[in-house]
Amino acid sequence: DAKTTQPTSMDCAEGRAANLPCNHSTISGNEYVYWYRQIHSQGPQYIIHGLKNNETNEMASLIITEDRKSSTLILPHATLRDTAVYYCIVRVADSNYQLIWGAGTKLIIKP
Amino acid sequence: DGGITQSPKYLFRKEGQNVTLSCEQNLNHDAMYWYRQDPGQGLRLIYYSQIVNDFQKGDIAEGYSVSREKKESFPLTVTSAQKNPTAFYLCASSQRGGHIEQFFGPGTRLTVL
Repeated sequence: DAKTTQPTSMDCAEGRAANLPCNHSTISGNEYVYWYRQIHSQGPQYIIHGLKNNETNEMASLIITEDRKSSTLILPHATLRDTAVYYCIVRVADSNYQLIWGAGTKLIIKP
Repeated sequence: DGGITQSPKYLFRKEGQNVTLSCEQNLNHDAMYWYRQDPGQGLRLIYYSQIVNDFQKGDIAEGYSVSREKKESFPLTVTSAQKNPTAFYLCASSQRGGHIEQFFGPGTRLTVL
């Protein structure tokens, strides 16, 4: 599975859009981009995934560049409860169940 | 409510003792996983099971053992052979195949004194 690179930490003001970048320059054509988040001392929570089209659900939007070498997770109106570590994971959607977790981005929402 | 339960939330043991961490799910998922997380780091896979009575080693299986006798249960034993057992342990489950959204339990924080 391709490696991902994320900033160690980011701040965002409450009510603003939080944009979390992820670089995955070695991504292959059949690898998907997944995002999870982990609120302090809890289990991670799935947010969204995508292949090449932009995706949106009730939690967030995922924007993937045309060359698929990077992506951005957007939380449109960040709240204090969005403070968490956000993980970007790239993997093939097949019978190999393993997810390779990096250190993620610590997002702090400030009032 | 459907979900994954892990117990206890905090566990203390003396060095040299084996300890078993519980993980139960009522989501009817075939696949279950155990991860270890150390401070400031991502999750590392210990063991995973795709079906009852079958399991595979992950990246850091040494010093751990598991069983999968029932679909809903996947207990993890931390043995005395694990050199650095103090960590946050997370259990997860998912459907088999395709896009796997893994559902996580609340975790067990194990401290070995």
